[in-house]
Amino acid sequence: AQTVTQSQPEMSVQEAETVTLSCTYDTSESDYYLFWYKQPPSRQMILVIRQEAYKQQNATENRFSVNFQKAAKSFSLKISDSQLGDAAMYFCAYSRDSNYQLIWGAGTKLIIKP
Amino acid sequence: NAGVTQTPKFQVLKTGQSMTLQCAQDMNHEYMSWYRQDPGMGLRLIHYSVGAGITDQGEVPNGYNVSRSTTEDFPLRLLSAAPSQTSVYFCASSYLGLTSNEQFFGPGTRLTVL
Repeated sequence: AQTVTQSQPEMSVQEAETVTLSCTYDTSESDYYLFWYKQPPSRQMILVIRQEAYKQQNATENRFSVNFQKAAKSFSLKISDSQLGDAAMYFCAYSRDSNYQLIWGAGTKLIIKP
Repeated sequence: NAGVTQTPKFQVLKTGQSMTLQCAQDMNHEYMSWYRQDPGMGLRLIHYSVGAGITDQGEVPNGYNVSRSTTEDFPLRLLSAAPSQTSVYFCASSYLGLTSNEQFFGPGTRLTVL
């Protein structure tokens, strides 16, 4: 069975600095998708970035980028120039290519210090 | 375009009561799903549907029923509420066939069972 592990329950970073959130996963599939979702206090789940496993290039969305290491089954999220609005829970999620069910990590609470 | 809507936003039930959580989407998405979110855990899939008239169980289906009579609506029914069903419930939807597997989430329903 696939599993997703986020080993950092909480992280804090100074505003304008860079922070990296860790995620590891376990799967025997070769094709799959990985996601980072942000959940602010409003509770709304917002997609931050996604990565297709067949793509070697790491995904980037403005200040958000990932370090995808397929062999190591690692998928970390880097947030550059952290802003107060980045404070939220961040969830890593996995989905098989032929299956739309998302498997979620337990989340990392990100605190931004002004 | 309202996206994914859920009602109610908050609900308090007594043990043994029944109720229906409503979910609707106006994006003509084939795939719809229900997740529950508990403290310290990632989201867990309850039920999902790949189209009208087709539903299937996820990871934690016990105590919940679903039906999909239209593409737009996917209600979740609690037959006899139990304190263990106290949670935040999210409905999500997506297109089938998209390689990105991106799911769009509703705002959630916070349910408390006394």
